[in-house]
Parts: sequence; structure tokens; C-alpha cells
Amino acid sequence: KNQVEQSPQSLIILEGKNCTLQCNYTVSPFSNLRWYKQDTGRGPVSLTIMTFSENTKSNGRYTATLDADTKQSSLHITASQLSDSASYICVVSVRDDYKLSFGAGTTVTVRA
Amino acid sequence: SQTIHQWPATLVQPVGSPLSLECTVEGTSNPNLYWYRQAAGRGLQLLFYSVGIGQISSEVPQNLSASRPQDRQFILSSKKLLLSDSGFYLCAWSVPLPSSYNSPLHFGNGTRLTVT
Repeated sequence: KNQVEQSPQSLIILEGKNCTLQCNYTVSPFSNLRWYKQDTGRGPVSLTIMTFSENTKSNGRYTATLDADTKQSSLHITASQLSDSASYICVVSVRDDYKLSFGAGTTVTVRA
Repeated sequence: SQTIHQWPATLVQPVGSPLSLECTVEGTSNPNLYWYRQAAGRGLQLLFYSVGIGQISSEVPQNLSASRPQDRQFILSSKKLLLSDSGFYLCAWSVPLPSSYNSPLHFGNGTRLTVT
């Protein structure tokens, strides 16, 4: 069964600090992994995408890594801002399929 | 540019009442359309997807149904709501499949449904 596990479930950080979110998956055959950001009461928005041949991808202060061998990914937020407060969702797709496997998300709260 | 509209933003309905949620996409043709439900602490659950007008695939047996009367219109319906239908419903589109590298899911802003 395809599964995506995210940790921690939630975290609180001070503005300006860094944090790292984790994603472990058991999805086959693997196509790509995306991280989405979901603000409260809004739909998710894609941040990064990586295939098995890419082990890092950046989008501003967001840096995602992928280890396709261990089936792990992380999302690192650098110099956090209040606007980074959101849920971050790891999504893994199967090759040539419409179905995606979603993690439950990590809720990040940035405090001044 | 492409945009997706979903309404209403919030809805409170009594048990046994009907439901109609609407989603429209602008700026793209023949999109794949999706309805998801998001429960607190759980990943998004795919309810329905559509690859074209009148073509609907159901992923989860339930008292909900979907229709696609026009290329860029997707409707989620129910004849009689249950308490368990409460949740956050998200419409999304992709061109082509979301497993493609350059084809993320584009989500609407969701409908918060509370069945009382």
C-alpha cells in the first residue's frame, strides 16, 4: 500500500529561525515528490518538485531534499517569517497515474 | 493565466439536505478535474476525478456524486447529507496527469462544509 508519513505533526519556531520537516514514503513505482504549502482556509500550493534523479531543489527560503534510496525527503525553511505559518504537505506520485499519495502534513507556527 | 474558482467558501447544512458545490476553471482547456476531501490530521482523500465532459471516476463509495456538464465545470452533489460528510472540500485541476513533472495540482480555496 502506498503511504506517506510526515513528521513532526506540528512545530512552533521563532521568527528568523530555521526548521526542517521530514517525509518518508513507500510509493511504487515512484514518479516524483512535491511539497505543497497550505495556508489556513486555503488550497495547497506547490513549492517544489523532485524526481529520483534530483536530490535537492530550492524555492527561495525553502529547500527540499530527496533520498530516493531510503525514500526520504525533507523540507528546510531558512530564516523563517510569520508568513511561513502554514501546513506543509508531502505528496508522492506514481508513474503515469492520476492518483497521488498525500501525507497528513506538518503544521508550522512562526512566532514573533 | 489559469484560475480556479470554488464556491461557496463555507456552508452549514442540516442532515438530510441536498448539497451542490461548484468549481470552474479558467485559462486552460480539457483539464483533468478532481474533488478532494481533507479531514483534520489526515491526508487529502481523492473523491472523484474527471478526464473529460461526462467522464467521472469515483474513488470512494459514499453518498456523494460528481458531474462535469462543461469542459471546465465540476460539480459535487449529494441528495441527502450525512453528519460524516462534514469536512473541507477542495477542487483541483491538472494538465496533464499530476504525476507529470510540469503538472502540479492547482487547488481552489476550498469549501468548509458543516453538517448539523
